[in-house]
Amino acid sequence: DGGITQSPKYLFRKEGQNVTLSCEQNLNHDAMYWYRQDPGQGLRLIYYSQIVNDFQKGDIAEGYSVSREKKESFPLTVTSAQKNPTAFYLCATQLAGSTDTQYFGPGTRLTVL
Amino acid sequence: GENVEQHPSTLSVQEGDSAVIKCTYSDSASNYFPWYKQELGKGPQLIIDIRSNVGEKKDQRIAVTLNKTAKHFSLHITETQPEDSAVYFCAAKDSGTYKYIFGTGTRLKVLA
Repeated sequence: DGGITQSPKYLFRKEGQNVTLSCEQNLNHDAMYWYRQDPGQGLRLIYYSQIVNDFQKGDIAEGYSVSREKKESFPLTVTSAQKNPTAFYLCATQLAGSTDTQYFGPGTRLTVL
Repeated sequence: GENVEQHPSTLSVQEGDSAVIKCTYSDSASNYFPWYKQELGKGPQLIIDIRSNVGEKKDQRIAVTLNKTAKHFSLHITETQPEDSAVYFCAAKDSGTYKYIFGTGTRLKVLA
């Protein structure tokens, strides 16, 4: 929280639709991450980006896409190829360099109808 | 692959008692260990972290201990209060990489 904004808070999607989750930060942090959280599981990494115009796949990137056109923004698109997208999605940031501290946004809950 | 095991999955304590949550990691290169508190419907909040060159760190009622030899670290909460009720996550990271490995979480209930 505090400097990381995710919108919307709740999102409903029909099967076959693409949806985009927003993540904006004003912390001037270099790295940004997207995680998926399912009940009873730890956070799983979808994508991460260390600098503008560059991003890498995480452990569960299939069915997701991202862009990093600005340092402040790292939107996540959940495509129709993601077969089980209902989950809580968390964006996080990290200031590059000597600190490893990662900060999380408030999350977006996506439900497929 | 890299893994972090967290125990217990649920923990109930009486208000005023202590709570201990333990995590074990597999990657010996891990050198940064944060703990997060997550309330229902919210994002995780960092509550304390420790680096591998330190064995213990304390912040008021919260402390973390690290045993590098055994590859485990623990969160200690003393004088628990109802507002401590939440899900707690541990994580491990190698500073030379981008990746944080998270435990599966512990649901702490503090009974009034």
